Amino acid sequence: TQLLEQSPQFLSIQEGENLTVYCNSSSVFSSLQWYRQEPGEGPVLLVTVVTGGEVKKLKRLTFQFGDARKDSSLHITAAQPGDTGLYLCAGRHNAGNMLTFGGGTRLMVKP
Amino acid sequence: NAGVTQTPKFQVLKTGQSMTLQCAQDMNHEYMSWYRQDPGMGLRLIHYSVGAGITDQGEVPNGYNVSRSTTEDFPLRLLSAAPSQTSVYFCASKGSTTRTEAFFGQGTRLTVV
Repeated sequence: TQLLEQSPQFLSIQEGENLTVYCNSSSVFSSLQWYRQEPGEGPVLLVTVVTGGEVKKLKRLTFQFGDARKDSSLHITAAQPGDTGLYLCAGRHNAGNMLTFGGGTRLMVKP
Repeated sequence: NAGVTQTPKFQVLKTGQSMTLQCAQDMNHEYMSWYRQDPGMGLRLIHYSVGAGITDQGEVPNGYNVSRSTTEDFPLRLLSAAPSQTSVYFCASKGSTTRTEAFFGQGTRLTVV
């Protein structure tokens, strides 16, 4: 059982569509990060959210941290084929500095 | 600036063989960790280190050993490889503050036959 559950696991959409990916937990995290991973590469950080209710925007990507700091979402507007990849959320507990990762959402955007 | 370097990139082992996965970082990061990534499982923490001479177990430590004799290096040893250890292994390093990102190596794809 993973502490962080991501949904959906797989998502295939057409270019131009909007989508939302969810990251849920029963645990409270002091901070949460979203990473994007391409085939054959390690994950690369997109954003870190720290405050409950925080919203951060990165071009067409909008990240939100839940008020209770137990969940987060990633919304992509007008998806493009370059958005294709594996999106991972990772949370950090107060007790340590190590990250706990969700199972990932594999996104495919078709032209 | 190389960041995090992992070697080898690919490896095939026979059941029962031992090997060491190498990881080196040149960012003077205190925190280093090893993850394995399996389909649908995300990244699971194997072992981690908060500084030279200090290591601790993560979520799935069985069958793996680590040591941290220097700040730069954090090798992962498989004592007696098993097919269940077939996976992609990632080494990551991180600075000491809360908001710093984890930098990942390119991964080692290990197959145990």
